[in-house]
Amino acid sequence: GAGVSQSPRYKVTKRGQDVALRCDPISGHVSLYWYRQALGQGPEFLTYFNYEAQQDKSGLPNDRFSAERPEGSISTLTIQRTEQRDSAMYRCASSPKTGNTGELFFGEGSRLTVL
Amino acid sequence: GQSLEQPSEVTAVEGAIVQINCTYQTSGFYGLSWYQQHDGGAPTFLSYNALDGLEETGRFSSFLSRSDSYGYLLLQELQMKDSASYFCAVRGNQGGKLIFGQGTELSVKP
Repeated sequence: GAGVSQSPRYKVTKRGQDVALRCDPISGHVSLYWYRQALGQGPEFLTYFNYEAQQDKSGLPNDRFSAERPEGSISTLTIQRTEQRDSAMYRCASSPKTGNTGELFFGEGSRLTVL
Repeated sequence: GQSLEQPSEVTAVEGAIVQINCTYQTSGFYGLSWYQQHDGGAPTFLSYNALDGLEETGRFSSFLSRSDSYGYLLLQELQMKDSASYFCAVRGNQGGKLIFGQGTELSVKP
């Protein structure tokens, strides 16, 4: 596609439910990142992949959060047993290169609300 | 770990020049990036400095001093549409992880 696509754009769920957020990066982009952004704050790093390999998951808050990118393209961020504190904008970004480049292309985000 | 400091708010008038500073602490360093984010929108890339000095892209310039762990974004000929949040971001010694600052909200007044 022309840009990074995320779905759903909005998700409202009840506490305790599992949610899956999907990211479709720009075609051919090697690296894929997940961030969480609270209102008025900067993007908070969660995890990233080069191809299908998860390179760093140090930002995942706890073991309820997981991510995968099995074929090196689409990625899914899964949150199990959601809690109200998980409510936030979840952003995906992709990059055409691995390693040391500062340019990421962000999607429009998935806004998660946990009731 | 890594940390970044930037002012939370800056106000300037249309047509003026504004500088947004960013200081960082990282155990390693591979470059400083700047992003713009309008309300309700996605962050968009503005510039990247890997080496010391000034990079110019139209009305926007970005500067880096690695010895001072400091950089800034310079916006010239401010326009109302420049009102947005601006984030600096660094890539440290842990590979590809890009860490963002908390952002500077720029308000451009007529």
